[in-house]
This record gives sequence, C-alpha cells and structure tokens, in this order.
Amino acid sequence: EAQVTQNPRYLITVTGKKLTVTCSQNMNHEYMSWYRQDPGLGLRQIYYSMNVEVTDKGDVPEGYKVSRKEKRNFPLILESPSPNQTSLYFCASRLQGAGTEAFFGQGTRLTVV
Amino acid sequence: AQSVTQLGSHVSVSEGALVLLRCNYSSSVPPYLFWYVQYPNQGLQLLLKYTTGATLVKGINGFEAEFKKSETSFHLTKPSAHMSDAAEYFCAVSSAFSGGYNKLIFGAGTRLAVHP
Repeated sequence: EAQVTQNPRYLITVTGKKLTVTCSQNMNHEYMSWYRQDPGLGLRQIYYSMNVEVTDKGDVPEGYKVSRKEKRNFPLILESPSPNQTSLYFCASRLQGAGTEAFFGQGTRLTVV
Repeated sequence: AQSVTQLGSHVSVSEGALVLLRCNYSSSVPPYLFWYVQYPNQGLQLLLKYTTGATLVKGINGFEAEFKKSETSFHLTKPSAHMSDAAEYFCAVSSAFSGGYNKLIFGAGTRLAVHP
C-alpha cells in the first residue's frame, strides 16, 4: 500500500530536549516536505527536499533541521524545542513536476512544555 | 507570488443541503488548483485537482469544483451533504510551470459541520 509513515503520532516533551520525528514514504517520490498546521493558519511549509541531499527552507524554518540521506526518508529534527513549536506536523511526498498530488502522513501532534 | 483565501473558517449545513466552500487564489502564473480534505486525526487526502482542460472538475465522494479564471476562484460544491462529509477542507495552489520546485500553498482551511 502506498503510504507516508510518520512517527511518533503523539509526543510531549520539555523545552530544550532534542527530538526527531521520522518520515518514510514507499512511493519512490522525489519531493518530500514538512508542514506545521496551526488553527487559522492552515499548513505552512517548514522545509522541503527535491531529492537526496537536496533540501531547502520553506516559509517557517526557524528552529528546525532536516536531512535527506535516502530517497524514502526525511526526518525532522528539533535541536532545542520551544513551546511555540507546539503544533501538528505533517510530512508529505509527491512526484516531481507541476500538478502532482501530495500524499500526507497521519500527522504528529507535538506538545512542548 | 501565489496565495489562497478561503472564505469562512466554519461552515455549517444540514444533512441533504448543498455544500459550498469558497476558495479564491492569487497567482501571476497559470495555476494548478487542489482541494484536500482532512478527517479528524488523519492526514490530508486529495479530493480533486484542476490542471488543464475542462474547468469543471469532479472528485471523490460526490464533490466537484469549477475553475473560473475571470473570478480567480475554485469553489468546492456538493449537491447533498452527508454526515460523513464533516471534516476540514483545504484549498491549495501551485504553479503550472514545470522545472524547478512547484510549491503547494494552502489556504487556512474551512471546517464543515453537518447536522441532522
């Protein structure tokens, strides 16, 4: 089954404790992205990757890091989480090219206290 | 620059009534337009998309949308709402030009409630 898998689904952590949210896709998609979803703001792109070892900042990259060492995986790293990073996070993948459909993971609800 | 505006953060309809969710976009280049749906505790899934050709696009679950270039709109409709349609709906725009990265830009979302 074609899917994007994120882990964990829920995470509560304390300020400053490094964490990683994993994302994996099995569709051989070139493009992968991370979004955060906040009420009234829709989805805002954090980082994206056009292929292995090619990543770039999205609209709200501050406080986040990513890596793309393999085509299928695109982890999101919070080196020193802060309460303003409490949010719902989505990983998405799609084929290269205009008009292609994005496939989303189930989401990770992160709370930073 | 591209942007998306969804009018109405919350829409409530009766079961069996018409569903109309509004989306207006801004784009200096030909747009590709999408509607995604998010059910509770789930990720987003594609309802329908407009790329080229017929401006009336049919999607899953009886939804359809019409691309109106003169009005820069891509409103989502369904003739008869069902309780299972209760969800959050997102309109998104992307550039139609190939080559390079075609970013998906999302609207703020509209939460649809369906009551008996």
